[in-house]
Amino acid sequence: GAGVSQSPSNKVTEKGKDVELRCDPISGHTALYWYRQSLGQGLEFLIYFQGNSAPDKSGLPSDRFSAERTGGSVSTLTIQRTQQEDSAVYLCASSSSPGTTKNIQYFGAGTRLSVL
Amino acid sequence: AQTVTQSQPEMSVQEAETVTLSCTYDTSENNYYLFWYKQPPSRQMILVIRQEAYKQQNATENRFSVNFQKAAKSFSLKISDSQLGDTAMYFCAFMTYNSNYQLIWGAGTKLIIKP
Repeated sequence: GAGVSQSPSNKVTEKGKDVELRCDPISGHTALYWYRQSLGQGLEFLIYFQGNSAPDKSGLPSDRFSAERTGGSVSTLTIQRTQQEDSAVYLCASSSSPGTTKNIQYFGAGTRLSVL
Repeated sequence: AQTVTQSQPEMSVQEAETVTLSCTYDTSENNYYLFWYKQPPSRQMILVIRQEAYKQQNATENRFSVNFQKAAKSFSLKISDSQLGDTAMYFCAFMTYNSNYQLIWGAGTKLIIKP
């Protein structure tokens, strides 16, 4: 079946503008994660959605970042008033069984965000 | 705090050689998972291999195997008979059985396989 799909693949924006990044998880996966990968570094957790539960927003770096997940499927990560330090690759992952031994996260190809 | 350390920023080997990538982690938890992911230039993270901490036997997937030393908190990846397609960034990651199952990542090792 189809994997995790992210759009756009690349996004260039001006400082101060708002951006929306989209993630379409694997069909049937109940868990969805957003991570940020800054240049030359590992991934940093941003937010976690599991089914209809309230999301875990503990990794969001500031109140300019928000995310929603509609109908338990597609998710949108929004960054308001973008800053140059927001430039990074934003990766989305989904998982079918986060609490079991089958817990594997499958990743999309990410969105490379460049803030000028 | 839980951390993952990859001490080799970059490695290169000749095709067909064996290479070992190092990873250490720090946690007070007893139950957790460990992963190696590969990230080629396409940016998509691809799972290479994973290990449950309660299992003493080291995981193996074809040419990829791990050396898991729980007491030493070490989790190295061995790639045998390396191929040009193995060229990529390799990330070690750690997950506990807590409420959100987030992955905690090392900074990565850039592996270059030379023809």
